[in-house]
Amino acid sequence: QVQLVQSGAEVKRPGSSVKVSCKASGDTFSSYAISWVRQAPGQGLEWMGRIIPVLDLTKYAQKFQGRVSLSADKSTSTAFMELSSLKSEDTAVYYCARGDTGLATDYWGQGTLVTVSS
Amino acid sequence: DIQMTQSPSSLSASVGDRVTITCRASQDISNYLAWFQQKPGKAPKSLIYAASSLQSGVPSKFSGSGSGTDFTLTISSLQPEDFAIYYCQQYDSHPLTFGGGTKVEIK
Repeated sequence: QVQLVQSGAEVKRPGSSVKVSCKASGDTFSSYAISWVRQAPGQGLEWMGRIIPVLDLTKYAQKFQGRVSLSADKSTSTAFMELSSLKSEDTAVYYCARGDTGLATDYWGQGTLVTVSS
Repeated sequence: DIQMTQSPSSLSASVGDRVTITCRASQDISNYLAWFQQKPGKAPKSLIYAASSLQSGVPSKFSGSGSGTDFTLTISSLQPEDFAIYYCQQYDSHPLTFGGGTKVEIK
């Protein structure tokens, strides 16, 4: 039974950083990539990047390059997404999901609402 | 980046109707196409992968077809629980990209 369980909602000031966690169960960490997708209020889905935990290999969308950092703790099967220099436009629900190029996304976390407000 | 264009952006349909949503890729993505369903306040749910294969547990009223640049999602007989937003996604190359979504509403 695969589950992705994310950390709770966050409220952040502009210019600060946020770190969201995603704990995986099953064999996800040994064989799969974890992607991060965000959804601004009332908007569509936007892929931010992915990490392959077993290789510590990351790939970022150009839009977020330099501002997002993906990491993973293999000992606890937990992936992390850190977004820095937050702006109000970063207010969104952030999802982790299992999937990458060549391997369709199948499981999603429940989402983490990040609100950026002064 | 590969652009994914969905149409229509919204549609109204009645229970029992057959509904078709289309998704077009800006370049050939073979069959690396997935479909997701999202209900308000919920995470997306994976429906279809490889353009036409159903994810485990997804009812057979959902079907997908296409390859290359043109794809469709069909719901054979719309039920109340199917009213949602549907997204396509290409996973052929980075960055993974999504269509803008199709909102299926009750007529």
